[in-house]
Amino acid sequence: GAVVSQHPSWVICKSGTSVKIECRSLDFQATTMFWYRQFPKQSLMLMATSNEGSKATYEQGVEKDKFLINHASLTLSTLTVTSAHPEDSSFYICSAIGTENYGYTFGSGTRLTVV
Amino acid sequence: DQQVKQNSPSLSVQEGRISILNCDYTNSMFDYFLWYKKYPAEGPTFLISISSIKDKNEDGRFTVFLNKSAKHLSLHIVPSQPGDSAVYFCAASGSQGNLIFGKGTKLSVKP
Repeated sequence: GAVVSQHPSWVICKSGTSVKIECRSLDFQATTMFWYRQFPKQSLMLMATSNEGSKATYEQGVEKDKFLINHASLTLSTLTVTSAHPEDSSFYICSAIGTENYGYTFGSGTRLTVV
Repeated sequence: DQQVKQNSPSLSVQEGRISILNCDYTNSMFDYFLWYKKYPAEGPTFLISISSIKDKNEDGRFTVFLNKSAKHLSLHIVPSQPGDSAVYFCAASGSQGNLIFGKGTKLSVKP
């Protein structure tokens, strides 16, 4: 049990466009969703934490108007990168925790390339 | 199906003893493995990694062992310290550089 499906797995977009990344919990209710960005040398930066039905809490230095997070239901959270620029190119990954004790379940990640 | 499995959700160890965290994987194409440590309210931080061409990598108190034939890796912490108490994630790097995580093992090191 406890699977998080993340889509798309990779996306290429033009500079200035917006990209939406979805994370769905398939067999549990994700009360809290975390969004991370992977940097070189395998470091993961926590971007924001969202609880279902509430506004996301963004980490310091993360632009909330650029990285829009929606967690409207217990099974779906989305990250929208607005007006993407080449420097936004990265690997984005979500993880979720739910009401059952499944621990942290990670999505499979999204490779974003902005050209 | 899970490609990276951490079958022990929690582990409790006495301070000074060895902590052994285990991880199994199913995809023989994985060529790089990583361990992350996560404190509450923080993102996972990279701890140690190992390439599939090696069977051991050591960094201070942390050693990762890789058994490719068994598709198994383990993280050894010696000696364990209370500050090591955290959730530890095993991850494998896929062909596109994406990370595939296990569900984590919560380590508690008791003084």
